[in-house]
Amino acid sequence: RKEVEQDPGPFNVPEGATVAFNCTYSNSASQSFFWYRQDCRKEPKLLMSVYSSGNEDGRFTAQLNRASQYISLLIRDSKLSDSATYLCVAKANSGYALNFGKGTSLLVTP
Amino acid sequence: GAGVSQSPSNKVTEKGKDVELRCDPISGHTALYWYRQSLGQGLEFLIYFQGNSAPDKSGLPSDRFSAERTGGSVSTLTIQRTQQEDSAVYLCASSLYGGDAGELFFGEGSRLTVL
Repeated sequence: RKEVEQDPGPFNVPEGATVAFNCTYSNSASQSFFWYRQDCRKEPKLLMSVYSSGNEDGRFTAQLNRASQYISLLIRDSKLSDSATYLCVAKANSGYALNFGKGTSLLVTP
Repeated sequence: GAGVSQSPSNKVTEKGKDVELRCDPISGHTALYWYRQSLGQGLEFLIYFQGNSAPDKSGLPSDRFSAERTGGSVSTLTIQRTQQEDSAVYLCASSLYGGDAGELFFGEGSRLTVL
């Protein structure tokens, strides 16, 4: 079983829609969590960190539920430019590896 | 630019040949990671370097894979006796401190095709 599991999608949504992605992590020792964005045939880039208290960055909101070991990303008022693959990332307290999920593909259509 | 630089961007090789992939991290970044991404797969951790500490090699898939980082800067990933299943995009990333910093800056990757 992979350490980080995500629904691969694709999620096809119209512009202006709200869309939510979830991911689950298996290692209860994981302490740090992130969402990365990867455009087609490009390198991943950090979108935002995820905190237990939840955090918001413009149209993006990330939540962490430690009890259920899942992380969510909410995108409001979707833009065409939001089309990408969103990678959920967890890091255990020991070691240095950031464990990436396979990603959830989002396509925002006009 | 001052981003992570990787070379070659594309490499086609024959099964059984050795390949070397190079990564030049962002100046001043002490942590350097190698990941690989196969088609339809997530990023698979390979190896981590932090300063002068011993590297974390726990992700290397076999003893055909090795990596070094010279002078705390440039890193080379070597794959010996390549196999077709080694075909993937090899991504290098660096971060300022490693650990829980979280923000990894990735290079554009080296796409390896083994025929």
